[in-house]
Amino acid sequence: QQQVKQSPQSLIVQKGGISIINCAYENTAFDYFPWYQQFPGKGPALLIAIRPDVSEKKEGRFTISFNKSAKQFSLHIMDSQPGDSATYFCAASRVGSEKLVFGKGTKLTVNP
Amino acid sequence: DTAVSQTPKYLVTQMGNDKSIKCEQNLGHDTMYWYKQDSKKFLKIMFSYNNKELIINETVPNRFSPKSPDKAHLNLHINSLELGDSAVYFCASSQDRGGYGYTFGSGTRLTVV
Repeated sequence: QQQVKQSPQSLIVQKGGISIINCAYENTAFDYFPWYQQFPGKGPALLIAIRPDVSEKKEGRFTISFNKSAKQFSLHIMDSQPGDSATYFCAASRVGSEKLVFGKGTKLTVNP
Repeated sequence: DTAVSQTPKYLVTQMGNDKSIKCEQNLGHDTMYWYKQDSKKFLKIMFSYNNKELIINETVPNRFSPKSPDKAHLNLHINSLELGDSAVYFCASSQDRGGYGYTFGSGTRLTVV
């Protein structure tokens, strides 16, 4: 049973475009939704995170949109750059649990 | 200074061997983890330790045994390695319980031949 479903599996965007990655979750007890960025040969690095009490969080070119009723959240990368090319993972966890449940990842390629 | 460091970065070994991966964090975090990333990039938790106490033990073969000598170190020992154990293993740490603010190491790529 996959608790966090992520799409698309891969995404190709032109430089300057908007990249959008979507995730859906099932467990309504989840209360923390981070996004991780992973470059080849490196570990995942925390990019941005949101809690369900807000519908949007923005940090620079990266924005998380959160829809609690639909149990969905998405990552928007504005003005995508070739340096953003990486694999992006959404994740979720709940209060009292150390466990982060990850989506299956989206490989983003930004063409120059 | 590397926050979460793993050694070795690459490990190639034959089936049936026993190997260990070491992890150290200098962030002062209380909780450490081992995650496995398979060939399709899927990340799955294996173990979690909080202040040297085992908290999470997912469905992992008992050939895998974590050991935490202190809260800054979490090692992973694997007995009788199998081809299916080939993967990238990531160590991570976090200050609080609740999956918040993980810091990952750069991974150990294990190849069993």
